[in-house]
Amino acid sequence: GAVVSQHPSWVICKSGTSVKIECRSLDFQATTMFWYRQFPKQSLMLMATSNEGSKATYEQGVEKDKFLINHASLTLSTLTVTSAHPEDSSFYICSARAAGTSHEQYFGPGTRLTVT
Amino acid sequence: QKEVEQNSGPLSVPEGAIASLNCTYSDRGSQSFFWYRQYSGKSPELIMSIYSNGDKEDGRFTAQLNKASQYVSLLIRDSQPSDSATYLCAVLLSGTYKYIFGTGTRLKVLA
Repeated sequence: GAVVSQHPSWVICKSGTSVKIECRSLDFQATTMFWYRQFPKQSLMLMATSNEGSKATYEQGVEKDKFLINHASLTLSTLTVTSAHPEDSSFYICSARAAGTSHEQYFGPGTRLTVT
Repeated sequence: QKEVEQNSGPLSVPEGAIASLNCTYSDRGSQSFFWYRQYSGKSPELIMSIYSNGDKEDGRFTAQLNKASQYVSLLIRDSQPSDSATYLCAVLLSGTYKYIFGTGTRLKVLA
């Protein structure tokens, strides 16, 4: 149980284009989903928190107009990197927190984005 | 700024030994703590969660929590080369749904 999928697993795009990443909780309903970014040899950096049906809460320093997050249902959240630049190249990982009191969050396999 | 601190390592232990990983946190009100394992190039995988003071065992893993000292640890018994990874400590900030991660401790189990 508690499986989170992410698609695509890797993507290469040209500078200036937009990329959409999907995150799905496959066997549970996720009240809250999180989007993280991780640069090589660094820890996870929380970008934003999203609750189903409401606007995402972005961390300080994360541009909400550049990283568009939509949490349309209890099993799906999307992150769109708009007008991508080479400095946006990173490992993007989503996670989902199930309804209930365990507070455990489960991570998707991640999406490696390379902007050329 | 709420923080979670871990020694970055690498921590090297021989195969079969006990690996001890430590974590301290600054949010005194936090009640939920987690250990994740992350292999290079992969996303984190939940190993254990702990909410009460004391020990919690799951197979070869034991999590220990001391809220008074704001200290969480993870013991891995009978360490295997496949345990070689980065171990991340995470804390759920009190009154929020926000998790703060430590920078991770890199563990090397030597065959």
